[in-house]
Amino acid sequence: DTEVTQTPKHLVMGMTNKKSLKCEQHMGHRAMYWYKQKAKKPPELMFVYSYEKLSINESVPSRFSPECPNSSLLNLHLHALQPEDSALYLCASSQDSRRGLAGKNSYNEQFFGPGTRLTVL
Amino acid sequence: RKEVEQDPGPFNVPEGATVAFNCTYSNSASQSFFWYRQDCRKEPKLLMSVYSSGNEDGRFTAQLNRASQYISLLIRDSKLSDSATYLCVVFPGGGADGLTFGKGTHLIIQP
Repeated sequence: DTEVTQTPKHLVMGMTNKKSLKCEQHMGHRAMYWYKQKAKKPPELMFVYSYEKLSINESVPSRFSPECPNSSLLNLHLHALQPEDSALYLCASSQDSRRGLAGKNSYNEQFFGPGTRLTVL
Repeated sequence: RKEVEQDPGPFNVPEGATVAFNCTYSNSASQSFFWYRQDCRKEPKLLMSVYSSGNEDGRFTAQLNRASQYISLLIRDSKLSDSATYLCVVFPGGGADGLTFGKGTHLIIQP
């Protein structure tokens, strides 16, 4: 099973709302990621969790707050967002976020969820 | 200099033709390389990993040239269902890391 699930599929929120995006995987992966993708652009890395610890925060504004309750779950808490934050938010997981064995790409292959399409009014 | 560079296209190709995509990456210490496919308004899906020895999966062949920092993807006997955006993706591997994506090459297979 290479499935990563995300909820909700769509979310519309006002700039004063607080909402959360959820992601789940049952592949036993120890690394989980949040990416943001704007239309006609590639995904941009936001956060990396490795063994349930935040290892990378790519200078993301504090109005985005990640949380990893356990190795299968990843949340993204949203508060006081701006209209320019409207985008597709993608969750991904991989076996690990660190270098794997040379010639063994499978260690770092990332599997993406279907995304949450967020609109901020 | 951009980290992963690709020709954005679009590539308009007749069904049954062979099409090749290339990309270059700037970080010579990069660890792993992939091609992902992304359909409109969908998530990226892993197409294949890329190795220096070259690897093939059905109609798809990928190749890595570490000396030139160059990655390629060849699609033979293209199908209408191959129409998508193809993303060249690099795992820098400098520590705990995420993927670095190229901007993608848009492929349109025409009947």
